Amino acid sequence: GDSVTQMEGPVTLSEEAFLTINCTYTATGYPSLFWYVQYPGEGLQLLLKATKADDKGSNKGFEATYRKETTSFHLEKGSVQVSDSAVYFCALSDSTSGTYKYIFGTGTRLKVLA
Amino acid sequence: DAMVIQNPRYQVTQFGKPVTLSCSQTLNHNVMYWYQQKSSQAPKLLFHYYDKDFNNEADTPDNFQSRRPNTSFCFLDIRSPGLGDTAMYLCATSREDYSNQPQHFGDGTRLSIL
Repeated sequence: GDSVTQMEGPVTLSEEAFLTINCTYTATGYPSLFWYVQYPGEGLQLLLKATKADDKGSNKGFEATYRKETTSFHLEKGSVQVSDSAVYFCALSDSTSGTYKYIFGTGTRLKVLA
Repeated sequence: DAMVIQNPRYQVTQFGKPVTLSCSQTLNHNVMYWYQQKSSQAPKLLFHYYDKDFNNEADTPDNFQSRRPNTSFCFLDIRSPGLGDTAMYLCATSREDYSNQPQHFGDGTRLSIL
């Protein structure tokens, strides 16, 4: 079945450091890929998405490129801020049994130190 | 702003005492989802509605039920909550049941069973 694998956290960085959170997937169809962010005590917020191979999603300085050849959708940011501290979830949406559901990764906690 | 609103934000109830969580949306989306998220885990889909069509996940416990009286509202009923049902419950919506449509999440209800 479909699956999403994320790098384990926590990831601890100093402010202005470069961020990469790895995400790889397996899917039988042609999935859409998403990154969501969850701040403490809140729901998930869509960070960015890509719907086909070679698409690049970007938002608030975060980027991720849909790489079909490596089945990856790694999240990157050039300079993190303390306010980026949160849990990040990679997810795919694909048609299984005729309906579209999210398959989430396990989440990666990011802590940014001032 | 159009959004997904969950009430209450926090709910404490006794073991075995029925509880209802509510979700409303102003997005006019036709798909609504309920997720259970336990501490430090990814959200787990319980069920979803596509318009009035109810779709239950195979491993959702029988004491979890849902109602969707109209497009805007959806309820999660837990008939006899156990200690293991302590979790954050997330409601989400999407515009159509297509893989490239993002889901929009509420801020969740944190449920504690004592």
